[in-house]
Amino acid sequence: AQTVTQSQPEMSVQEAETVTLSCTYDTSESNYYLFWYKQPPSRQMILVIRQEAYKQQNATENRFSVNFQKAAKSFSLKISDSQLGDTAMYFCAFDHSGSRLTFGEGTQLTVNP
Amino acid sequence: ETGVTQTPRHLVMGMTNKKSLKCEQHLGHNAMYWYKQSAKKPLELMFVYSLEERVENNSVPSRFSPECPNSSHLFLHLHTLQPEDSALYLCASSQNRDSTQYFGPGTRLTVL
Repeated sequence: AQTVTQSQPEMSVQEAETVTLSCTYDTSESNYYLFWYKQPPSRQMILVIRQEAYKQQNATENRFSVNFQKAAKSFSLKISDSQLGDTAMYFCAFDHSGSRLTFGEGTQLTVNP
Repeated sequence: ETGVTQTPRHLVMGMTNKKSLKCEQHLGHNAMYWYKQSAKKPLELMFVYSLEERVENNSVPSRFSPECPNSSHLFLHLHTLQPEDSALYLCASSQNRDSTQYFGPGTRLTVL
């Protein structure tokens, strides 16, 4: 069974600074997808970024980028130039078989003014 | 409306009530999902529908009954729930089962 671990229940960062959220996963599969979702206080789950395991290049989306280390089974999210609107719960998720998303327990990120 | 919508946004019900949650997706997707999000726990996949057929049921109690009448609509029928069923219920959709899932805003359910 696949597992996803987020070891940081809470983090905080000052506005305009950079923060990195950690995620590790356990799988015996070679082809899979990894995601970061954010869930702000509105509770809407929003896709932040997606990474295909067969791609060596790290995915980026504007201020969001990942550090994907396949051998180490690590998938961290870096948020640059943090904004107050980035305050949310961030979930790392793994998908191998299609349709079976496995989520981590989440990291609550607070961006302070 | 765009994206994935869910109604109602909040629901309070007694243990003997029958209610239904509704999800609608406006993205042209052909797969839909129900998730349960409880406090202090990761999201749990409940049901998966692909092309209107249920393809997965993760050992969910029978007091939860899903229905997918077409590729745009998904329902979750609730009856004789327990207080521990109180949670945020999230609907998601994707284009094919191996594509990125997009979520609705959720229904906050409280069972008294």
